[in-house]
Amino acid sequence: AQSVTQLDSQVPVFEEAPVELRCNYSSSVSVYLFWYVQYPNQGLQLLLKYLSGSTLVKGINGFEAEFNKSQTSFHLRKPSVHISDTAEYFCAVGGSNYKLTFGKGTLLTVNP
Amino acid sequence: GAGVSQSPSNKVTEKGKDVELRCDPISGHTALYWYRQRLGQGLEFLIYFQGNSAPDKSGLPSDRFSAERTGESVSTLTIQRTQQEDSAVYLCASSLAAGGMNTEAFFGQGTRLTVV
Repeated sequence: AQSVTQLDSQVPVFEEAPVELRCNYSSSVSVYLFWYVQYPNQGLQLLLKYLSGSTLVKGINGFEAEFNKSQTSFHLRKPSVHISDTAEYFCAVGGSNYKLTFGKGTLLTVNP
Repeated sequence: GAGVSQSPSNKVTEKGKDVELRCDPISGHTALYWYRQRLGQGLEFLIYFQGNSAPDKSGLPSDRFSAERTGESVSTLTIQRTQQEDSAVYLCASSLAAGGMNTEAFFGQGTRLTVV
């Protein structure tokens, strides 16, 4: 079985500040990890994914995430956020023969 | 099609009525998911289809909820005798395969259901 824990339900930050959204997972098999973003009143879109290879993954809009197997984490980071980054962010884990499992989401609010 | 298509985009129904929501997945995608998202909440898994395997219905909240999918095509989510707590956005997603590197899910824009 798989599970995903997003440790923060809400993260408020000021514009141009760095941000880290935390995600921890548990799985008994090899994992594939994803971050999705949901802008207000829209569906979810893929931000980035880790399938294999380099543990540092770069995505759209300047976001990146690092896969840490020993800590079972896949935290999302951005060095300088913009107002337009205000959205809900979802971490998800998939594995061989397992359906995709989502965390409960983190609401990132960027204030001027 | 180019992406996952859901219809209707908005649905207002009276309490006690039945509703049917439709999802057209990306062509060739064998896996299909339904999620519910209440206002200000995260994603609540409802049901998962993978090819011709028996669906995973573990997320359906009550026997008023059911879903069907024929092969790798359209899926319909039916809610019978709707209640006000059913008001939410219902999201559909599809992926190329069930597991492995093709697990990436592509989402539709959702159906906003309002029960009055």
